[in-house]
Amino acid sequence: GENVEQHPSTLSVQEGDSAVIKCTYSDSASNYFPWYKQELGKGPQLIIDIRSNVGEKKDQRIAVTLNKTAKHFSLHITETQPEDSAVYFCAAPGQPGANNLFFGTGTRLTVIP
Amino acid sequence: EADIYQTPRYLVIGTGKKITLECSQTMGHDKMYWYQQDPGMELHLIHYSYGVNSTEKGDLSSESTVSRIRTEHFPLTLESARPSHTSQYLCASSEMSTAPGKLFFGSGTQLSVL
Repeated sequence: GENVEQHPSTLSVQEGDSAVIKCTYSDSASNYFPWYKQELGKGPQLIIDIRSNVGEKKDQRIAVTLNKTAKHFSLHITETQPEDSAVYFCAAPGQPGANNLFFGTGTRLTVIP
Repeated sequence: EADIYQTPRYLVIGTGKKITLECSQTMGHDKMYWYQQDPGMELHLIHYSYGVNSTEKGDLSSESTVSRIRTEHFPLTLESARPSHTSQYLCASSEMSTAPGKLFFGSGTQLSVL
C-alpha cells in the first residue's frame, strides 16, 4: 500500500507568520492529495485537496503544492491565526479509484498570539 | 457542517464486556469507514463499506466487526473488549461517485478498556 510520510510532527509559529507542512508519498499512481484539520475533540475536516493534474491550489490563506516527479506535496498557511492551531494530516489514496486514504502521522501546529 | 454522528463520545468499560459504537449519517452516502486513531495521532482504516450488505476489512487488523443493514447506519462491535482496544474510533462517510473523494468524519468515540 501507499506510504505517506509527514514532517514536522510539531510546529510552532508566531501569529501572522507562515507555516509549511510537507508530505511525501511512495505510490506514483496516487492522483489525489487532501489535507485534513483536526481540532481538539473533533474529527478531521477536509480543508483543501489537489488532484494530480494541477501543481498548485489556493483557498484564501491556505495553499497546497504538488510535485509529482519528486512525489511530495505541501500545505502552506499564510498569516496564521490562533484558530489555525490544530493537528493537520495529509493523505494519499495509493491507487486511482482506491477507497482507502493513507494518512500521514500528523503535524501539531501551534500559533502563538 | 457534516451530518455524521457517533455515540457515545466517551466510553469506559471493563475487560470482557461487549460494546457497540454507533455511527449514523444523514447525507445518503454509500461509502462509510471506521478509522482507529492512536494516541500518537496516526489514523488507520479498520473497516469500510460500499453500501448496504457490503463490509470489508481495512489495512489495520482489528478484532472488531461491523454491519451495514441500512445506508445511514454503520455500527462497530467488539465482542470482548480488552485494554489493547483502548483508542479513539472515528467513523466517516463519502459519496460513491468520487473515489476516494471527500471524507466526512464524526467527532469520534474515545474508548477506554480497564
